Amino acid sequence: AQKITQTQPGMFVQEKEAVTLDCTYDTSDPSYGLFWYKQPSSGEMIFLIYQGSYDQQNATEGRYSLNFQKARKSANLVISASQLGDSAMYFCAMRERNTDKLIFGTGTRLQVFP
Amino acid sequence: DTGVSQNPRHKITKRGQNVTFRCDPISEHNRLYWYRQTLGQGPEFLTYFQNEAQLEKSRLLSDRFSAERPKGSFSTLEIQRTEQGDSAMYLCASSFGSHLDEKLFFGSGTQLSVL
Repeated sequence: AQKITQTQPGMFVQEKEAVTLDCTYDTSDPSYGLFWYKQPSSGEMIFLIYQGSYDQQNATEGRYSLNFQKARKSANLVISASQLGDSAMYFCAMRERNTDKLIFGTGTRLQVFP
Repeated sequence: DTGVSQNPRHKITKRGQNVTFRCDPISEHNRLYWYRQTLGQGPEFLTYFQNEAQLEKSRLLSDRFSAERPKGSFSTLEIQRTEQGDSAMYLCASSFGSHLDEKLFFGSGTQLSVL
């Protein structure tokens, strides 16, 4: 069964606007972690933000915030004040307590235009 | 901290040939992971090491694939008798521990093209 679902293959946003990238997940483990990574055209995966299943508050890292809705099993990434350099693939990933690997979604390609 | 290094960046080979990729993790990281990524997909887990011990292998990893991490430092991924379906980006990542919030640091990958 698909554990991480990203339903938006591509998104467009104008520079300086905010954009939300969707991610839903499936797990029966009460303890898990959710990650977002950015992959520019160079290929390297860059860590953006982390949310733990027991964290009470939504995670924030600079212009990135994670809209964590546990009951809905969603962990959407919000990028505020988009920049041209934000154009890249974005991947949502999850690690469950009883595994040691990250499971990734299929990604969303974000394109920021002037 | 020089980051995770992967070599080569690109590899073109003919079907049936063997290829080997190398990954040098961040020096103090004891965990090392291999992932495979095909076009339009997210990275798929292949295998991982804690120090020199290979702890898990995905069912995606056929008998033609073998990975090693001698002395718990760099790792190699070998593919024997390559097939066109092996064409993909092979990503290496490392981390310091196994906590739930431990983030993986990735290299830039090795792009394999099998002709």
